[in-house]
Amino acid sequence: GNSVTQMEGPVTLSEEAFLTINCTYTATGYPSLFWYVQYPGEGLQLLLKATKADDKGSNKGFEATYRKETTSFHLEKGSVQVSDSAVYFCALSTPTSGNQFYFGTGTSLTVIP
Amino acid sequence: DAGVIQSPRHEVTEMGQEVTLRCKPISGHDYLFWYRQTMMRGLELLIYFNNNVPIDDSGMPEDRFSAKMPNASFSTLKIQPSEPRDSAVYFCASSFGAGAGANVLTFGAGSRLTVL
Repeated sequence: GNSVTQMEGPVTLSEEAFLTINCTYTATGYPSLFWYVQYPGEGLQLLLKATKADDKGSNKGFEATYRKETTSFHLEKGSVQVSDSAVYFCALSTPTSGNQFYFGTGTSLTVIP
Repeated sequence: DAGVIQSPRHEVTEMGQEVTLRCKPISGHDYLFWYRQTMMRGLELLIYFNNNVPIDDSGMPEDRFSAKMPNASFSTLKIQPSEPRDSAVYFCASSFGAGAGANVLTFGAGSRLTVL
């Protein structure tokens, strides 16, 4: 089946610290992989995506590389800011699953000044 | 495009009342999804449509929940009768040609439901 597992939170970092949020997946077929971000009181927004193995998605200083050999899509940022405080969701979508999206449980990040 | 539009943004009702949540997807999107988010269960897929046809409603909690999509630009999620455990944020999302490639799921701002 299809599923996404991401690291448990909450995560608290100081401003300018390095961020890694781990995400691994199980999928039938060839999935597209996504990171979504949810700021307080808002809906989820696409942060970045990758559609095939070895692709790197990037946006707003965040990066994630589609690793087929380790079935992973870890989110990284070199220097976090207070404004990055949010909940981050890893997700996958595959045509063989009826085009559903499968989300992880979300990881809450708080960045303190 | 104004994005995915949901209404109401907030709804407070009493147990037993009917609740109707509304969604206008992005024009041209052929997939529409309804999700529910709670602290306890996280983000749950309730139902999704393709070209206005329900494809998978296995996530709908029980018969009190129903969803319709009468045309490409409008969908409703109805709860009748409502119960306190239905309190949650309900999200509508839409996409075009879901699957590998350029597909992106776009979410609305959500409808926060409180059932007293």
